[in-house]
Amino acid sequence: GAGVSQTPSNKVTEKGKYVELRCDPISGHTALYWYRQSLGQGPEFLIYFQGTGAADDSGLPNDRFFAVRPEGSVSTLKIQRTERGDSAVYLCASSLTAGSTEAFFGQGTRLTVV
Amino acid sequence: AQSVTQLDSHVSVSEGTPVLLRCNYSSSYSPSLFWYVQHPNKGLQLLLKYTSAATLVKGINGFEAEFKKSETSFHLTKPSAHMSDAAEYFCVVLHTGGFKTIFGAGTRLFVKA
Repeated sequence: GAGVSQTPSNKVTEKGKYVELRCDPISGHTALYWYRQSLGQGPEFLIYFQGTGAADDSGLPNDRFFAVRPEGSVSTLKIQRTERGDSAVYLCASSLTAGSTEAFFGQGTRLTVV
Repeated sequence: AQSVTQLDSHVSVSEGTPVLLRCNYSSSYSPSLFWYVQHPNKGLQLLLKYTSAATLVKGINGFEAEFKKSETSFHLTKPSAHMSDAAEYFCVVLHTGGFKTIFGAGTRLFVKA
C-alpha cells in the first residue's frame, strides 16, 4: 500500500479481555516500530522489529504485551488481560532500514478499555 | 540515559510572524535528532532530521532547526507562520547504538489569523 495501515482504527474492549492490533507496513520496509501515545503525551517506544525478529522490546511495559511479525511484513501487537490503563493510541511505523532513516507512521489504533 | 525536553507545551503566534519551538536533549553520545509534526486525525510526519552533518538542518514547509551541542538544544524555527502550521510538534532523539526513539511530550502550535 501507499502508507502504513493500522486496523482497527478504533477498538473498545472490556477490562480483562484480549485484543490484537494489526499493522501493515510500507512494502519493502524491513524495520517496524510500535509506540503507545497516551493523551497529552508524546509517543512512547514499545518494540522494534528488524525483519521477523524483535531487535529491541525494552519498551513493552509488562508481560501482558507481546508483538509478532512472523513473515517480516505484517505485525500484530497483542495485549492480554487488558486494563483501563492500557487505553491509548497505539502507533505503528516502518522504515526502509533501521536507525536514522525516516520512519513513516500509521494513523494509529485508539484502544479504549472500559 | 537519553531524554528530550520540549520547553513549551503550547505556543501561540500570529500568521506571518516567526515560530520558535524549543527542544533540549540529553545524550551521552552524538545523537540523531528529529522533528515530527502531527496534524489532527493524521499520522506523524517527519519535518527534518539531524545526523551529525551540517548543524543547520532545513526541512519541509520552510522549517529549519539548528543543532547546538554546547547548549544541548535543537530548536525548530520558521520565519513566517501559516495557518496550516497549526499542529502538534514532537522533538525526537534516536537512542545511540540502538533503534529506540525517545519522543518529547510535544508542543502544540496555535496560529492566529
